[in-house]
Amino acid sequence: DQQVKQNSPSLSVQEGRISILNCDYTNSMFDYFLWYKKYPAEGPTFLISISSIKDKNEDGRFTVFLNKSAKHLSLHIVPSQPGDSAVYFCAASIRADMRFGAGTRLTVKP
Amino acid sequence: KAGVTQTPRYLIKTRGQQVTLSCSPISGHRSVSWYQQTPGQGLQFLFEYFSETQRNKGNFPGRFSGRQFSNSRSEMNVSTLELGDSALYLCASSESGTPNTGELFFGEGSRLTVL
Repeated sequence: DQQVKQNSPSLSVQEGRISILNCDYTNSMFDYFLWYKKYPAEGPTFLISISSIKDKNEDGRFTVFLNKSAKHLSLHIVPSQPGDSAVYFCAASIRADMRFGAGTRLTVKP
Repeated sequence: KAGVTQTPRYLIKTRGQQVTLSCSPISGHRSVSWYQQTPGQGLQFLFEYFSETQRNKGNFPGRFSGRQFSNSRSEMNVSTLELGDSALYLCASSESGTPNTGELFFGEGSRLTVL
């Protein structure tokens, strides 16, 4: 059962523009949400997270938005840079049980 | 601090064989989780160990098993390999296993090919 879904397998944006990656979840018990970035031949690395008690968290160029009523979160990258090209996974957790989406491949074109 | 180390990085097996993958977590981390990554399926949760006990388990058949040792190192085993088991197997560690306090730290993975 896919409790965390990323419906867009790929996204292409121009350098300097905004990238918006989306994620939906089905389990309302999830209380912590994270985004990971993965380059080829490397393990995923943590990018940014948000607790279910918040609706926005910012870290530099990266902002995560959480809409609990819609069970939806999104990652905004502004401005996008070519080095941001990677696969982005969203994750949701309940205690020590973390579930991931299928990933979205972001390509930022110079 | 050394990162999460997984061995072997690459391996090729044939159907019906079994395989054991190893993971050494970051020093001080007591929780180890295992994930299977396949194209289109993302990261599928296999299981999570904390202090030598399996705390959580995903929806994988019993052919997939794991264990954790007293030094927090973990192994996972897949028996009677099938072609569909070909994937990248990722290990991740965290300090307490409670994601509310932080994130998972992933190794580079073990890429298994089943012929």
